[in-house]
Amino acid sequence: KAGVTQTPRYLIKTRGQQVTLSCSPISGHRSVSWYQQTPGQGLQFLFEYFSETQRNKGNFPGRFSGRQFSNSRSEMNVSTLELGDSALYLCASSFSTGTRGYTFGSGTRLTVV
Amino acid sequence: GEDVEQSLFLSVREGDSSVINCTYTDSSSTYLYWYKQEPGAGLQLLTYIFSNMDMKQDQRLTVLLNKKDKHLSLRIADTQTGDSAIYFCAESIEYGGSQGNLIFGKGTKLSVKP
Repeated sequence: KAGVTQTPRYLIKTRGQQVTLSCSPISGHRSVSWYQQTPGQGLQFLFEYFSETQRNKGNFPGRFSGRQFSNSRSEMNVSTLELGDSALYLCASSFSTGTRGYTFGSGTRLTVV
Repeated sequence: GEDVEQSLFLSVREGDSSVINCTYTDSSSTYLYWYKQEPGAGLQLLTYIFSNMDMKQDQRLTVLLNKKDKHLSLRIADTQTGDSAIYFCAESIEYGGSQGNLIFGKGTKLSVKP
């Protein structure tokens, strides 16, 4: 059974640009969540999607957005990139909302220069 | 607000037991989790415990939950060098009548010396 797939694995962008990250959940999983991991702030929740609807949102500025498609794949977008957006972005999926743990992907390492 | 605290470092000798401790603040947490992260990798779910349990054992892993003190611990028996990693404690916050997002601690870096 394939795990959670995140693409790309690494990304380098310039300040002011925008970026789109992709996440393919485990087959049959309908909930997808996104987390940002930085050395200073640790792991912080960005948002959760379930059946194409944003179910919950963390405390991030509106530059961070996401969406989920009918096949449960999800994308997150960050506009007007800042140096502080450099982080590991992790996607996690579960069969339903919050059921007994999420399976995480390997993440996308975003570097903003 | 919700907060999860854990010590940042733990060093043990191969073959010894490791105990990683965590405290959390949200008494409505339904599930509490332990995740493992190896360098360059995502998070691997090790085990979880439902809030109405006080202990769960899974092979070399034992989770103890003291709900009164909001204290969670992970014991790894016969620790091996392959157990060297960062271990995250996380609580699941109730949202909309079901489980919501995870609140993570900062992680405990476990170093296992041969």
